[in-house]
Amino acid sequence: KQEVTQIPAALSVPEGENLVLNCSFTDSAIYNLQWFRQDPGKGLTSLLLIQSSQREQTSGRLNASLDKSSGRSTLYIAASQPGDSATYLCAVGRGGSEKLVFGKGTKLTVNP
Amino acid sequence: GAVVSQHPSRVICKSGTSVKIECRSLDFQATTMFWYRQFPKQSLMLMATSNEGSKATYEQGVEKDKFLINHASLTLSTLTVTSAHPEDSSFYICSAFRQGATEAFFGQGTRLTVV
Repeated sequence: KQEVTQIPAALSVPEGENLVLNCSFTDSAIYNLQWFRQDPGKGLTSLLLIQSSQREQTSGRLNASLDKSSGRSTLYIAASQPGDSATYLCAVGRGGSEKLVFGKGTKLTVNP
Repeated sequence: GAVVSQHPSRVICKSGTSVKIECRSLDFQATTMFWYRQFPKQSLMLMATSNEGSKATYEQGVEKDKFLINHASLTLSTLTVTSAHPEDSSFYICSAFRQGATEAFFGQGTRLTVV
């Protein structure tokens, strides 16, 4: 059974700092890996999608890496801003399927 | 990107009543939609897979008679929580997959509170 773990559960940083969020998964037979952002009481915003054959994806100040063999992914946020404050979710797609298995998330607070 | 609309965003109902949540793909056809549930401080958990024109597939531990799913068209899936109880209070969110796409698109979610 696939399990996804995110560390840390919560993180508080001053504005401008670079930071890394971690995600690990137990079964390396994944279809893809996605990072989402969730604001309180709101739905999910997809940030980055990495296919199983890819090593990383970049979008603006965000960079996500994937090491499938070791079951790890990281989300790097450069020059953090207060607007980045949210819960970041990591999810892996099951082989060939669109079903996602989610981690519990990392709650990020960026202080002005 | 593709747009998925979920309604209502927030609902409060009395214990014992039923609540219907709608999930619509606005600009694409979705043969498959997924329903997830998230309890406080927990991860999103898949409840069921909704297939257009056929019965939904439920994950282990999810009561199919309590959580009724209907996917009558290629753009609409509904989740009905029947005889709701306070323990059903949760955040419910749907996702839809566009054929040929590599990612699912999520609705805004529904916060259900049963009193």
